[in-house]
Amino acid sequence: QVQLVESGGGVVQPGRSLRLSCAASGFTFSSNGMHWVRQAPGKGLEWVAVIWYDGTNKYYADPVKGRFTISRDNSKNTLYLQMNSLRAEDTAVYYCARSSNVHDALDIWGQGTMVSVSS
Amino acid sequence: EIVLTQSPATLSLSPGERATLSCRASQSVSTYLAWYQQKPGQAPRLLIYDASNRATGIPARFSGSGSGTDFTLTISSLEPEDFAVYYCQQRSNWPRTFGQGTKLEIK
Repeated sequence: QVQLVESGGGVVQPGRSLRLSCAASGFTFSSNGMHWVRQAPGKGLEWVAVIWYDGTNKYYADPVKGRFTISRDNSKNTLYLQMNSLRAEDTAVYYCARSSNVHDALDIWGQGTMVSVSS
Repeated sequence: EIVLTQSPATLSLSPGERATLSCRASQSVSTYLAWYQQKPGQAPRLLIYDASNRATGIPARFSGSGSGTDFTLTISSLEPEDFAVYYCQQRSNWPRTFGQGTKLEIK
């Protein structure tokens, strides 16, 4: 079935780096744009970044611009989020989500991976 | 950045009642608005895309309306499983933005 599975979360000190992965299955990964969305504990959803189906375009939310990099490997059906210079306010569950080819809304979501930034 | 403001923050209703949730955009997003449902400990689920189109598998009791800056999600008759948090999101401009959410709780 169509599935997204995130991994790579954990506890990290401020200023350090972490890379998240999102493994896709059950659909043609190379045909869809992909997003990262995060949710701080007890808070709402915050859009983080998007990458086009072929990797040619990327957009970022202002709070992560210059620190986070979204990328993908279509040969491995995997999406990535490289997070550098982490801050306490980056603490959140990070979800990857698929952008529908029909209407561009986020129609498939992973279960999320928790990132905690703490000394 | 387009700001989405959802109201009310919390809505207390009983099963069988009608729920009306609002999402207002700081500038026009045309009909490029989606609604998501999130239950505790779960990922969000797409309910409505492009303001009024139900996503695959979404029951007919969920409906969306609106265009420009004012949007509504209506649940015609609440089922026990509908009590959750609901978010709107715009795809008109970058960055994509979400509303702060409306919590639908059992009265």
